[in-house]
Amino acid sequence: DSGVTQTPKHLITATGQRVTLRCSPRSGDLSVYWYQQSLDQGLQFLIQYYNGEERAKGNILERFSAQQFPDLHSELNLSSLELGDSALYFCASSSGTLSSYNEQFFGPGTRLTVL
Amino acid sequence: QQQVKQSPQSLIVQKGGISIINCAYENTAFDYFPWYQQFPGKGPALLIAIRPDVSEKKEGRFTISFNKSAKQFSLHIMDSQPGDSATYFCAAKKTGSARQLTFGSGTQLTVLP
Repeated sequence: DSGVTQTPKHLITATGQRVTLRCSPRSGDLSVYWYQQSLDQGLQFLIQYYNGEERAKGNILERFSAQQFPDLHSELNLSSLELGDSALYFCASSSGTLSSYNEQFFGPGTRLTVL
Repeated sequence: QQQVKQSPQSLIVQKGGISIINCAYENTAFDYFPWYQQFPGKGPALLIAIRPDVSEKKEGRFTISFNKSAKQFSLHIMDSQPGDSATYFCAAKKTGSARQLTFGSGTQLTVLP
């Protein structure tokens, strides 16, 4: 158990809908990362937050957005869903400052299925 | 360029054999190279990592070999066990203030009993 929790575990929805994925980082970790894992694209970095502020963006679609709250949990919002958005979405967290590298601990993921 | 290329896509070895997974990168700014292990239904977990100032790092049965001039690194699993059957991802960290990982495409390892 990495200490990172994600809810829900599974999510099935229809095209055009909007969903919210939730992540609670390990106690004390300030950084939260979101990744998308699909069969054809592998694990791709979406976005990073550090202590409530957006720090880096990867291959995140404009239909997707995220935020990190004062209690450090994070939510990933996916809107106008398309079939191709079906994937595993992982949250990871790490401790330390931005000037150091610390291991990223991954949550168990949320499997999103868009029908 | 941010790509990390990983091979093979899948690998089958006998119990007790050596498993070798290779990765190559393009961005010379990468300065940290971890390997992650992922079991079905679980998130990736850090297995072992190396920095480019050393050419090899060993932890138990797992060894990373790093060739800076060739921009390649590999994972060797000695005495492979059925419990090692998992998907393995190499990754590289981009320098700068953000510490996101760029992952390889993954290798599905099956160790036969």
